Amino acid sequence: GDSVTQMEGPVTLSEEAFLTINCTYTATGYPSLFWYVQYPGEGLQLLLKATKADDKGSNKGFEATYRKETTSFHLEKGSVQVSDSAVYFCALTIQGAQKLVFGQGTRLTINP
Amino acid sequence: EAQVTQNPRYLITVTGKKLTVTCSQNMNHEYMSWYRQDPGLGLRQIYYSMNVEVTDKGDVPEGYKVSRKEKRNFPLILESPSPNQTSLYFCASSLSGPVAGYTFGSGTRLTVV
Repeated sequence: GDSVTQMEGPVTLSEEAFLTINCTYTATGYPSLFWYVQYPGEGLQLLLKATKADDKGSNKGFEATYRKETTSFHLEKGSVQVSDSAVYFCALTIQGAQKLVFGQGTRLTINP
Repeated sequence: EAQVTQNPRYLITVTGKKLTVTCSQNMNHEYMSWYRQDPGLGLRQIYYSMNVEVTDKGDVPEGYKVSRKEKRNFPLILESPSPNQTSLYFCASSLSGPVAGYTFGSGTRLTVV
């Protein structure tokens, strides 16, 4: 079946550090890929998405590139801030599947 | 403000006592869905609805019911809650389905004792 695997957390970084959160996927069809972010006590928010190979999604300084050859969608940010502390979820959907398949989430903590 | 509103935010109940978690959206979205979030498992879909009176099972529907009598509302019903339904629940809506991206509610933390 379809699945998403994220790097194990938690991840702790200092402010202004470079961030990478790895995400790989297995899909029976041609997926669309997403990153969602969950701030403490809140619901998930769509951070970025990509719907075809080599597309780059970007938002709020975060980027992720859809790599079909490595079945990956790694999240990156060049300089993190304390306000980026949250749980990040990688997810996919297959056209017509009517659901998102989520990874287990990666908790990110940024220290000042 | 465009939003998905869930109630209650927190609920502690006893095994077997029927409960309903309400979900309402003000964006005129066709699609709505319920997920549960458990540590180490991410989010798993319980039920979804593609339009009024159209609902279908997700990956973990056992022990849950839903209804979609109006476009804006999509309540989750636990007829006889059990401790393994202790979880964090999220309602989500979308204009046309998951590819369009979801708007999530703030969540309902349910504890069944």
